[in-house]
Amino acid sequence: QQQVKQSPQSLIVQKGGISIINCAYENTAFDYFPWYQQFPGKGPALLIAIRPDVSEKKEGRFTISFNKSAKQFSLHIMDSQPGDSATYFCAVKAAGNKLTFGGGTRVLVKP
Amino acid sequence: KAGVTQTPRYLIKTRGQQVTLSCSPISGHRSVSWYQQTPGQGLQFLFEYFSETQRNKGNFPGRFSGRQFSNSRSEMNVSTLELGDSALYLCASSLSTGQREVAFFGQGTRLTVV
Repeated sequence: QQQVKQSPQSLIVQKGGISIINCAYENTAFDYFPWYQQFPGKGPALLIAIRPDVSEKKEGRFTISFNKSAKQFSLHIMDSQPGDSATYFCAVKAAGNKLTFGGGTRVLVKP
Repeated sequence: KAGVTQTPRYLIKTRGQQVTLSCSPISGHRSVSWYQQTPGQGLQFLFEYFSETQRNKGNFPGRFSGRQFSNSRSEMNVSTLELGDSALYLCASSLSTGQREVAFFGQGTRLTVV
């Protein structure tokens, strides 16, 4: 079953705009919510992560918003740059190191 | 500090053959996980090894297997290859198995089955 639903599948944003990607999960046992960024030909790289006892976390231009009651979390990319053009994956983690990923969002930032 | 190293980067195999992929984790990392990435199914967890023991396994057939050596290096093997096994196979290393351990991914091995 699909435990993490990610939307949208793709996104086009103008340089300087805001990119918003949403994820919804089903299992309340998940306890760690990372976002990964992947460029073509590369493996995913951790971008930012949040714990469920925090509602928001900001690192530079990247912000995670977390809504525990709705079982949803989102990534906001502020002041989007062409170098942010990549595929973004949300993920959830329960025990151990098993990551369950969302389907991915391809972001294209137009100059 | 060197990152996660996966070899080979590219591989072409014929249906029915078997293949072995290798992963060297970041120095000091003891946990290695494997993922399959395809356009249709996305990123899917295969299995995780810690201290030479398989700790977790995804929903893949028994043709997919792995092992970890005492130096934490890991290999995964796929036997009786099928066309649908064509994918990017990613290895991720973590320091330990804590719930909030960061997983660092290698660049992957692109397997094409013809």
